[in-house]
Amino acid sequence: NAGVMQNPRHLVRRRGQEARLRCSPMKGHSHVYWYRQLPEEGLKFMVYLQKENIIDESGMPKERFSAEFPKEGPSILRIQQVVRGDSAAYFCASSPLEGLGTEAFFGQGTRLTVV
Amino acid sequence: QQQVKQSPQSLIVQKGGIPIINCAYENTAFDYFPWYQQFPGKGPALLIAIRPDVSEKKEGRFTISFNKSAKQFSLHIMDSQPGDSATYFCAASIHSGYSTLTFGKGTMLLVSP
Repeated sequence: NAGVMQNPRHLVRRRGQEARLRCSPMKGHSHVYWYRQLPEEGLKFMVYLQKENIIDESGMPKERFSAEFPKEGPSILRIQQVVRGDSAAYFCASSPLEGLGTEAFFGQGTRLTVV
Repeated sequence: QQQVKQSPQSLIVQKGGIPIINCAYENTAFDYFPWYQQFPGKGPALLIAIRPDVSEKKEGRFTISFNKSAKQFSLHIMDSQPGDSATYFCAASIHSGYSTLTFGKGTMLLVSP
């Protein structure tokens, strides 16, 4: 029973390039959350998705960031035209359909470095 | 606006000591308070969680104390071990909704041998 799988684990992008971060939730989980962790900071909520729906994107920057969770395949967090300030660890978490408000399981994260 | 304040930022204790990490929250709608443990290069892992209908919860060497009137909760680690050295995050959410967690900034704990 694999946990939440994120890839790549490390991603280096030059300023202005696009970054695509992928997240496969735990088997049976249909809720996905993305969080961003800046150095020496706690995790900050970005977006909450269910299959084919964005439920809450209140933590997502208004420009350059987008997220999707298609019917088939992993959830994708996309950052266009990356800037140095986007360098952070991005974590995905998932929770089961019947467990609203209960434990969310985190992946190991994608560490994005913008050079 | 930081809704969950965590202290201290870092903590060093000797093996066998009892580190205590404190958190305070502002939003009275929060009703689920988990603690996460994170090792370098890894994702956060749930350690223990409490709901406000109890004042204390123990799981193994980890204890959460909860003070609803003061809007504070704390993590105690009994008989701490070098393997407990990690960053600890408190968090809060509204249980009746989805699990969007508001995290504290974290406490880096070092347990010396």
